[in-house]
Amino acid sequence: DVKVTQSSRYLVKRTGEKVFLECVQDMDHENMFWYRQDPGLGLRLIYFSYDVKMKEKGDIPEGYSVSREKKERFSLILESASTNQTSMYLCASSSGTGSTGELFFGEGSRLTVL
Amino acid sequence: ILNVEQSPQSLHVQEGDSTNFTCSFPSSNFYALHWYRWETAKSPEALFVMTLNGDEKKKGRISATLNTKEGYSYLYIKGSQPEDSATYLCAFSGSARQLTFGSGTQLTVLP
Repeated sequence: DVKVTQSSRYLVKRTGEKVFLECVQDMDHENMFWYRQDPGLGLRLIYFSYDVKMKEKGDIPEGYSVSREKKERFSLILESASTNQTSMYLCASSSGTGSTGELFFGEGSRLTVL
Repeated sequence: ILNVEQSPQSLHVQEGDSTNFTCSFPSSNFYALHWYRWETAKSPEALFVMTLNGDEKKKGRISATLNTKEGYSYLYIKGSQPEDSATYLCAFSGSARQLTFGSGTQLTVLP
């Protein structure tokens, strides 16, 4: 069974803390993505990666960074968490080149920043 | 940021009814259109990936059509069942790189 695993389902952090969200996929996919989901706004792309050590900004990268040191792992980093980063974060992966491969999603990490 | 719109925002239907919703996207630079179903407390799951104008895809009672020239896709559910209750997301790609999601249509099927 293919799987995308996110490290934490629920996190509560304080303003200014550094936050790491980890995502691991076991499908040998080249492409990995981080989205956030907020009510009424759909899924918005934060960062994506098409290869190890490679990253590209999505639509809303401000306040975030990413790391992809190994093919199966893609980490999202909030250097200094703020209350407006309270959200549901979804990791996804896909195979092949381009955007025609279906996305496989993790179960999401719900982050609350106090 | 590309504009991908889904309508209606939410929908309540009776069990057995057929229903459809719309995804509108820019009609220039089309690359792919995806449909996903997102059930509460689960991960979004792919229904269809469509790449050609005029594409029609079907999976059981669910089908989708694509018109890239006018920039819309329809998702149809025939004979809705309570287990079809979910949020249905479409995602548009105007390049080989990234997908832009709509805000979804929340479907509730009443028994």
